[in-house]
Amino acid sequence: KQEVTQIPAALSVPEGENLVLNCSFTDSAIYNLQWFRQDPGKGLTSLLLIQSSQREQTSGRLNASLDKSSGRSTLYIAASQPGDSATYLCAVSSGGGYQKVTFGTGTKLQVIP
Amino acid sequence: DGGITQSPKYLFRKEGQNVTLSCEQNLNHDAMYWYRQDPGQGLRLIYYSQIVNDFQKGDIAEGYSVSREKKESFPLTVTSAQKNPTAFYLCASSIGGGMGNQPQHFGDGTRLSIL
Repeated sequence: KQEVTQIPAALSVPEGENLVLNCSFTDSAIYNLQWFRQDPGKGLTSLLLIQSSQREQTSGRLNASLDKSSGRSTLYIAASQPGDSATYLCAVSSGGGYQKVTFGTGTKLQVIP
Repeated sequence: DGGITQSPKYLFRKEGQNVTLSCEQNLNHDAMYWYRQDPGQGLRLIYYSQIVNDFQKGDIAEGYSVSREKKESFPLTVTSAQKNPTAFYLCASSIGGGMGNQPQHFGDGTRLSIL
């Protein structure tokens, strides 16, 4: 059974700092890994999707890496801003005839002005 | 703009009552999903549908029911058999067709509470 862990559960950083969020998963047989952002009381917004054959994806100040063999992914946020404050979730798709997706519990990020 | 619309945003359930959460998408996606989110827990899959007129139980289907009569719509009914329904419910869709490498898109959620 796939398990996804995100550590730390919460993180507080000063504005402008570069930071890394971590995601680990137990079964390396994945189709893709997706990073989401969730604002309070809202749904999930997709940030980056990394296919199993890829090592990383970039979008603006965000860079996500994937190391399947070690069961790890990181989300790097450059030059953090107060608007980046949110909960960040990673999710692993294990396929299986339909898109079986397992979510982590998230890292709640606060960027202090 | 294409997207997923969930309604209502807030819903209250009385003892012994069934309530239905709406989910509509105009992304032309085949696959749709219902998740439940509780504080401190990851999203858990309630039901999913790969195509119209077909749906399957997820990990926590007890006390819930769904239908998929139209491609755009995937309503979720929380029945009186669900003893702990208070949670945030999220609907999602993806291109589907067995393509496990496609991203899921989410609605803004419905928060269900007990009266």
